[in-house]
Amino acid sequence: EAGVTQFPSHSVIEKGQTVTLRCDPISGHDNLYWYRRVMGKEIKFLLHFVKESKQDESGMPNNRFLAERTGGTYSTLKVQPAELEDSGVYFCASSPTGGGSGANVLTFGAGSRLTVL
Amino acid sequence: RKEVEQDPGPFNVPEGATVAFNCTYSNSASQSFFWYRQDCRKEPKLLMSVYSSGNEDGRFTAQLNRASQYISLLIRDSKLSDSATYLCVVTRGFGNEKLTFGTGTRLTIIP
Repeated sequence: EAGVTQFPSHSVIEKGQTVTLRCDPISGHDNLYWYRRVMGKEIKFLLHFVKESKQDESGMPNNRFLAERTGGTYSTLKVQPAELEDSGVYFCASSPTGGGSGANVLTFGAGSRLTVL
Repeated sequence: RKEVEQDPGPFNVPEGATVAFNCTYSNSASQSFFWYRQDCRKEPKLLMSVYSSGNEDGRFTAQLNRASQYISLLIRDSKLSDSATYLCVVTRGFGNEKLTFGTGTRLTIIP
C-alpha cells in the first residue's frame, strides 16, 4: 500500500513569492490533515479535511495560507505571499473514516521542507 | 504554558540501559494519548497508543496517569536503533480530532 506522498520534498523561495505544496493521502482515507513544524518548535496542527470539506481550520496562521482538497482526493496548501516565518516542515497526514480509537491513528507523509529567504 | 510538555533532552544512554521519558498535559479533557517516534528529517510514526491501564509492546511500556496528567514511556534493553526523537501526543477525543504534540525528547543510544 502506498503511503502518504508529499511534493516537493524541499522548496526554497524568496519572501513574497508563492509556493504550493501537494499531498496525496493513502487511497480511501477520508481524513486529511496538514501540520507544520517551525524550527525549534513543536509540530502544530493547521487544518483537517473530511473528504473535500474543511472540518477544522483553526490552526491556519493567517489568510496567506489556502488549503484545498477538490474532489476529496489530494490536497494542496498554497502560501501567498510567503514570509520568512513560514519556513519550516509541512507535514500531511491521513487517517481512515470512522470513529473509535483507531480513527485518530494518523499516517504522516515525509514532509515538505519550505525555506523562505 | 504549552498544552503538552516534554523534557527536550538530549538523553544519551548506553546500549542495553533502560530509559524513561515523561510528558505532562494541561488539558484535563484530553482523551487519547500516543507516543510517536521521529527519526532525523523523517516523518513522525506512531510508536504506541497509551491507555489508562498501561500497555506494553516488546521492550516499550507506556503508562497514563490521569490524576496527575502525565504520560510515560519506558524503553528497556535499549538498542542503537532506538535513537530518535520521541513525541508525546494528545487529543481531546477518540475520533478524528487534531493531535497536539509536545516538542519531543531526543534520545541517543551510545554503543
